[in-house]
Amino acid sequence: GAGVSQTPSNKVTEKGKYVELRCDPISGHTALYWYRQSLGQGPEFLIYFQGTGAADDSGLPNDRFFAVRPEGSVSTLKIQRTERGDSAVYLCASSSGLAGLDTQYFGPGTRLTVL
Amino acid sequence: DQQVKQNSPSLSVQEGRISILNCDYTNSMFDYFLWYKKYPAEGPTFLISISSIKDKNEDGRFTVFLNKSAKHLSLHIVPSQPGDSAVYFCAASLGSAGNNRKLIWGLGTSLAVNP
Repeated sequence: GAGVSQTPSNKVTEKGKYVELRCDPISGHTALYWYRQSLGQGPEFLIYFQGTGAADDSGLPNDRFFAVRPEGSVSTLKIQRTERGDSAVYLCASSSGLAGLDTQYFGPGTRLTVL
Repeated sequence: DQQVKQNSPSLSVQEGRISILNCDYTNSMFDYFLWYKKYPAEGPTFLISISSIKDKNEDGRFTVFLNKSAKHLSLHIVPSQPGDSAVYFCAASLGSAGNNRKLIWGLGTSLAVNP
């Protein structure tokens, strides 16, 4: 009974580089969410997938951020030309995606540090 | 502008006593509220939730109370145990197209339960 997993757990990169963060949701969960948590803050919504499609990407801060979920399971969050302000913990959550009230289950997060 | 507010950054209680964590919200369209617990270097763990059509939900030592007229909810932990020491986040969501249940989060309250 695996939960949500995220890789890598830590990523250190230099300003201007490209990074990819991976999320493996709970098996059978059709809904997948990405959030970002900065120090001292609560998580902040980035993007929501229902199946393969990004149903709501209103939380992505700018066009350097992009996420995909090509087969409706694993998702990758991609950040181009990273900036120091992108440093945060990136959290992934999945839920059953069924209509109604639906609990999201979170992975351990990827801590991204941009030097 | 914070739509979900946790005005107490920290709380300290004695083992065996009651812990009460508070949360206020501004958006009357929220219809689902959740509490998550977070340990350092881990993702948030779902604790308990409540629908806006209810005013109380209980699960073991944890009870959530919702006062819609005051736009206020609280989490009661009785009796408190040292293992409850963690950061507690209040989160809210509102129904939208495609079963999108993106969560809006408070800043968290750090609970310390002293033996």
